[in-house]
Amino acid sequence: EPEVTQTPSHQVTQMGQEVILRCVPISNHLYFYWYRQILGQKVEFLVSFYNNEISEKSEIFDDQFSVERPDGSNFTLKIRSTKLEDSAMYFCASSLFRGASYEQYFGPGTRLTVT
Amino acid sequence: KQEVTQIPAALSVPEGENLVLNCSFTDSAIYNLQWFRQDPGKGLTSLLLIQSSQREQTSGRLNASLDKSSGRSTLYIAASQPGDSATYLCAVRLGGSNYKLTFGKGTLLTVNP
Repeated sequence: EPEVTQTPSHQVTQMGQEVILRCVPISNHLYFYWYRQILGQKVEFLVSFYNNEISEKSEIFDDQFSVERPDGSNFTLKIRSTKLEDSAMYFCASSLFRGASYEQYFGPGTRLTVT
Repeated sequence: KQEVTQIPAALSVPEGENLVLNCSFTDSAIYNLQWFRQDPGKGLTSLLLIQSSQREQTSGRLNASLDKSSGRSTLYIAASQPGDSATYLCAVRLGGSNYKLTFGKGTLLTVNP
């Protein structure tokens, strides 16, 4: 069964460093998302992406964050200068655009630890 | 702003028991609602999706119902098993061009053998 994959599974970085989290969405999906979950808290929406542009973003997704689809398969989240409070599990998700279902399928997550 | 609440926060039951998890949301203008399962330190596995026009969806031992007008959904798990132990998350999507999911904090379910 097709699935969303994410790399790395765990990333440790120092405060102020740039990180890139990578995702490979399900191949025929056209809508892509990033969410994050700080330990013990709710899963929070960051950004959605369609047709090579951001379609929606939350107030969390400030200028420190950017997303890109550099090729036909990868979808990346970049954090330019990490802060301690960016430590969280980051989930990538994808969904079909057309059809009755906009069911979102999530990847296994990347645990980001900022020290 | 959509708020999603899940009750109870934690539930512990003996194996074989039937159980109900509750989810409520403040804005009833939803497009759909998804139930997810999350194992410790893992990703989210989609269990069921209910469109706003539907009343319920079933998958195996799972049955999810939706009462959009009252802003409530329930997830019924029949004949629970230890392997069902996980956190169950409810998430709603508003209508229109809004595709993001708004999540509840989840119910931590423990099924004791």
